[in-house]
Amino acid sequence: GDSVTQMEGPVTLSEEAFLTINCTYTATGYPSLFWYVQYPGEGLQLLLKATKADDKGSNKGFEATYRKETTSFHLEKGSVQVSDSAVYFCALDTGTASKLTFGTGTRLQVTL
Amino acid sequence: GAGVSQSPRYKVAKRGQDVALRCDPISGHVSLFWYQQALGQGPEFLTYFQNEAQLDKSGLPSDRFFAERPEGSVSTLKIQRTQQEDSAVYLCASSLAATGNTIYFGEGSWLTVV
Repeated sequence: GDSVTQMEGPVTLSEEAFLTINCTYTATGYPSLFWYVQYPGEGLQLLLKATKADDKGSNKGFEATYRKETTSFHLEKGSVQVSDSAVYFCALDTGTASKLTFGTGTRLQVTL
Repeated sequence: GAGVSQSPRYKVAKRGQDVALRCDPISGHVSLFWYQQALGQGPEFLTYFQNEAQLDKSGLPSDRFFAERPEGSVSTLKIQRTQQEDSAVYLCASSLAATGNTIYFGEGSWLTVV
């Protein structure tokens, strides 16, 4: 079945550091890929998405590229801020009524 | 309202009690989803509605779990005879159409079974 594997956290970085959170997937067909973010006390929010191979999703300085050859969708940001502290979830959707399959989440803590 | 609204936000139930969790999707959204998120895990799909029709309930873990959306808007997830393993956050989400649209999540209902 479909599955998503993402790096375990927590990830602790200093402000302005470079961020990478790894995500790989297993899926039949051609999934769409997503990163969701969950800030403390809030619901899941879509951060970015990519719907086909080589697409790059980007938002709020975050970006991720859909790599079919390595079945990966790693999240990157060049310079993190304290306000980026949250839990990040990688997810895929094989198009069946937008039923999302999520990874286990990676907690990011950014310190001054 | 502006977003997906869920109630109650927090629920403590004694083992064996029945609970009902409510979801108010964004107005006009056709699709509605329920997910279960255990502590330290990612959300897992439970069930999906398109309007009032429950098109997929493959993720419901047992026949103690039941969901309905009788008028195609508000939905209720009911859990009968709760067990400790039911303790989780139950997330509701909605989207404008069946596929290809952004899915918006509520803040969740935190259920603790004691």
